[in-house]
Amino acid sequence: KQEVTQIPAALSVPEGENLVLNCSFTDSAIYNLQWFRQDPGKGLTSLLLIQSSQREQTSGRLNASLDKSSGRSTLYIAASQPGDSATYLCAVVFYQETSGSRLTFGEGTQLTVNP
Amino acid sequence: SQTIHQWPATLVQPVGSPLSLECTVEGTSNPNLYWYRQAAGRGLQLLFYSVGIGQISSEVPQNLSASRPQDRQFILSSKKLLLSDSGFYLCAWSISRVLVVGANVLTFGAGSRLTVL
Repeated sequence: KQEVTQIPAALSVPEGENLVLNCSFTDSAIYNLQWFRQDPGKGLTSLLLIQSSQREQTSGRLNASLDKSSGRSTLYIAASQPGDSATYLCAVVFYQETSGSRLTFGEGTQLTVNP
Repeated sequence: SQTIHQWPATLVQPVGSPLSLECTVEGTSNPNLYWYRQAAGRGLQLLFYSVGIGQISSEVPQNLSASRPQDRQFILSSKKLLLSDSGFYLCAWSISRVLVVGANVLTFGAGSRLTVL
């Protein structure tokens, strides 16, 4: 059974700091991994998608890396801003013989960037 | 461009009452559709997914049901709500059946918050 864990559960940093959010998964046979942002009471917004053949993806101040062999992904946020405050979730797509490809989410990291 | 709509955004219902949450997608054909639930302080749990009209797969046994009467419409229902049904319900869509090849991104609606009293 694929399990996705995100550490830390919550993080509070001062504005301007560079930070790393961690995501680990138990089954390394994934197809891709996706990072989402969720603002309070809102839906999810896709930030970055890393396919299994890729090692990293970048979008603006965000950089996501993927190490399939160790079952880990990191989301790096450079020069954090108060507007980055949100919950960040990672999700992995993997294959199950009984039910086909599946998407499993971690429980998220709640980030607060203090001005 | 594709858009996804969910309604109602907020709902407060008494225990034992029925439920109907609706999700529609615009700008695409034959999308794969999903219903997720996010309980307070917890991750997302896949409830149902659909690869086509009338085709519904249930992920977990529960008090809820789903239907897909039209290609771009996905409905989450219950005949009698339980307190444990409270949560944040998210509809999502993807281009092809999850997400095996290519940059197939899962796109979410804004969510529906259900409170059962």
